[in-house]
Amino acid sequence: DAGVIQSPRHEVTEMGQEVTLRCKPISGHDYLFWYRQTMMRGLELLIYFNNNVPIDDSGMPEDRFSAKMPNASFSTLKIQPSEPRDSAVYFCASSLVFGELFFGEGSRLTVL
Amino acid sequence: RKEVEQDPGPFNVPEGATVAFNCTYSNSASQSFFWYRQDCRKEPKLLMSVYSSGNEDGRFTAQLNRASQYISLLIRDSKLSDSATYLCVVAGSQGNLIFGKGTKLSVKP
Repeated sequence: DAGVIQSPRHEVTEMGQEVTLRCKPISGHDYLFWYRQTMMRGLELLIYFNNNVPIDDSGMPEDRFSAKMPNASFSTLKIQPSEPRDSAVYFCASSLVFGELFFGEGSRLTVL
Repeated sequence: RKEVEQDPGPFNVPEGATVAFNCTYSNSASQSFFWYRQDCRKEPKLLMSVYSSGNEDGRFTAQLNRASQYISLLIRDSKLSDSATYLCVVAGSQGNLIFGKGTKLSVKP
């Protein structure tokens, strides 16, 4: 299997622009997670899905963030409008067994 | 008290040394615990689960102390390739996983 695939790997954008991050989980995994990592705050869970249904979105910072999972093989995380404080590495992870997360390589976002 | 707390380090040790990391957690109801490893500018990867009775995987030993609410990771005979950040992970009350900020290990020749 190819593992969790994220795109883009790097994104540099200007404040106010819309950012869309994409994730393809490992086939057969029914959990999908979006995490954000910064030096200051470490890894923070933003939202997770089970069988394409959002289960816990309490970590989504504010209404500027939204996530969707239209089918079992695709998820998006959207930030609109983006702000400099959104700069971080965004990881997508999927799992079949609780606790055994497989992470993608991450999307490094810089908002100027 | 933070949900999951780790000493950030860095721990600088020579090859062959034994090194131990501790991690404390605040939710006494937590039932599942894990250690992940993250190399510089890479994604986290599962290192091992932590079982109530303690468990070992080669040079790595994980232990759980429920009474004091901490878990530990012991690395024996450390290798240069063990240099990484080790993340303590605790299952939250919502069924999610809460990551500590990690402890950085640097193994020197």
